Amino acid sequence: SQQGEEDPQALSIQEGENATMNCSYKTSINNLQWYRQNSGRGLVHLILIRSNEREKHSGRLRVTLDTSKKSSSLLITASRAADTASYFCATDRNSGAGSYQLTFGKGTKLSVIP
Amino acid sequence: DGGITQSPKYLFRKEGQNVTLSCEQNLNHDAMYWYRQDPGQGLRLIYYSQIVNDFQKGDIAEGYSVSREKKESFPLTVTSAQKNPTAFYLCASSIDRGSDNQPQHFGDGTRLSIL
Repeated sequence: SQQGEEDPQALSIQEGENATMNCSYKTSINNLQWYRQNSGRGLVHLILIRSNEREKHSGRLRVTLDTSKKSSSLLITASRAADTASYFCATDRNSGAGSYQLTFGKGTKLSVIP
Repeated sequence: DGGITQSPKYLFRKEGQNVTLSCEQNLNHDAMYWYRQDPGQGLRLIYYSQIVNDFQKGDIAEGYSVSREKKESFPLTVTSAQKNPTAFYLCASSIDRGSDNQPQHFGDGTRLSIL
């Protein structure tokens, strides 16, 4: 079952522009995470935002979380060609017996044109 | 450097054959995970383990098996019962703090294809 859904599916921008990706989810969460995946590689964790936080920054990344709308956004400012990758949001879900697992969306494929 | 190592990078399976994908971590993490990724899709959880000698089925466990005999190692076997095994397989690990999800660290994957 996929809880998080990213939007748009693909995004193409010029170097130096900002890129915004959105994630919507269905059930309540403890936290939401964003990951990046370069083609043919594993995922790399970017940022984690807790349900009681509204905004978080890390370098050129800005993440917002609106629990009332069950949505999050990832903003990459002043994009670079090296930011070209797929970006996934992941939400936690209760697997029972105190175990929480991550559910990943299908991702947004970002292309930054030099 | 600490990290997760998956091997091999590419693997080919013949009909009726079982194949095993290796995953080793030196991060001293308790929890380990196996995901399957199909083209243009997100990750789907196959199996996970929170502690040595214990593991749980994920969303798509049928046709797969795992073991967790050592903290560092979590091999995945794709059995002949898995009729559509062609995919990119990712192993991950994390500190397990029960109800508090921690970031997961990923290996660079194994791409499995049918011969």
